[in-house]
Amino acid sequence: AQSVAQPEDQVNVAEGNPLTVKCTYSVSGNPYLFWYVQYPNRGLQFLLKYITGDNLVKGSYGFEAEFNKSQTSFHLKKPSALVSDSALYFCAVSAHSNTGKLIFGQGTTLQVKP
Amino acid sequence: ETGVTQSPTHLIKTRGQQVTLRCSSQSGHNTVSWYQQALGQGPQFIFQYYREEENGRGNFPPRFSGLQFPNYSSELNVNALELDDSALYLCASSQAGQGEYEQYFGPGTRLTVT
Repeated sequence: AQSVAQPEDQVNVAEGNPLTVKCTYSVSGNPYLFWYVQYPNRGLQFLLKYITGDNLVKGSYGFEAEFNKSQTSFHLKKPSALVSDSALYFCAVSAHSNTGKLIFGQGTTLQVKP
Repeated sequence: ETGVTQSPTHLIKTRGQQVTLRCSSQSGHNTVSWYQQALGQGPQFIFQYYREEENGRGNFPPRFSGLQFPNYSSELNVNALELDDSALYLCASSQAGQGEYEQYFGPGTRLTVT
């Protein structure tokens, strides 16, 4: 069965410091991996994806993520955090089926303090 | 903001009632997926519609049903509402067959069952 784990409920970082939000996955076959962000009372916004190719993928708002097949991880990173980055972040994996069903982690709240 | 719209924004229903939620997909997208996001949880896949037919279903009972129309808009119907159906219902659209894979989410409908 496919699954996604986000081991941290909350990540706290000071503005200007680098941030990492962790994600590990379990899926049969090659994974399609995604990061989404959710602001209060809003839907999910797509940040970036890994389908194939370079292990480091760049996305919106300066975010990037590193795919590590041996560690089955897809951690989200940003070199310099902004207060406006504070939100709920979800990692998701596609079961690589025709349905395109996304399996989400529980989410990690990122708190960036001035 | 994505081009995915959902209505209504909020809804309060009584246990046992029926509800219909609506979604208009982003222009050019032919696939609609529905997710349920309970408070403090990641979204859970309900089902997906492609070419007006159900194209995959998650672990939800038959009282959750849907439709997709020729213009690719969609409805989610829930019969015999239960208290546990209280959640944010998210619609996501995507373009199957274009090698993009990411889904674009609407703002959601907040359903409260009392």
